[in-house]
Amino acid sequence: SAVISQKPSRDICQRGTSLTIQCQVDSQVTMMFWYRQQPGQSLTLIATANQGSEATYESGFVIDKFPISRPNLTFSTLTVSNMSPEDSSIYLCSVTPDRGLRDTQYFGPGTRLTVL
Amino acid sequence: SQQGEEDPQALSIQEGENATMNCSYKTSINNLQWYRQNSGRGLVHLILIRSNEREKHSGRLRVTLDTSKKSSSLLITASRAADTASYFCATGGNFGNEKLTFGTGTRLTIIP
Repeated sequence: SAVISQKPSRDICQRGTSLTIQCQVDSQVTMMFWYRQQPGQSLTLIATANQGSEATYESGFVIDKFPISRPNLTFSTLTVSNMSPEDSSIYLCSVTPDRGLRDTQYFGPGTRLTVL
Repeated sequence: SQQGEEDPQALSIQEGENATMNCSYKTSINNLQWYRQNSGRGLVHLILIRSNEREKHSGRLRVTLDTSKKSSSLLITASRAADTASYFCATGGNFGNEKLTFGTGTRLTIIP
């Protein structure tokens, strides 16, 4: 399994500002994912971030709103831009291991974002 | 849209009792996974069952899969207060080439 950390663990932000969330993995992984979990809801995939290529966004999510960087095999960032209260959610990154049980994803602890 | 629907949405039981939650999905699958989420934090992988398996055990967890009914169940035996969490089923993730699609989740509360 992979050990994943996220920063910040939580934040309270003002409307119209942007927040960048960091995801750090303790081993090199090719595939990383960013999810959003709105209050009381399940997880929804925002985008897949593979090193060496542009992130692939799911329907309803756009790069201008959620730009993603993937500079190397152990790190990624997700920015939530021009925030509104509707962006208040938990944001989670996950990875698929390059070896072993590749059907499974391992998740970071999440970033709880509140937008006022 | 969500691949999986879970029921019940919420479940409260006494400590020591067994908890059963169900997941239904819509399309054919290669595998199905169950995850646990404590207090809105990260998800912990519990168990994966492949489409050619009918039942799988891991400690106090028992998962069944019925591909003809497109459904799965998670049984937690001899529940403990620490089992209080939300439980999600997920499909996809085939050999790392496919995203996971999560069910709606069951909120389990164990009453001491």
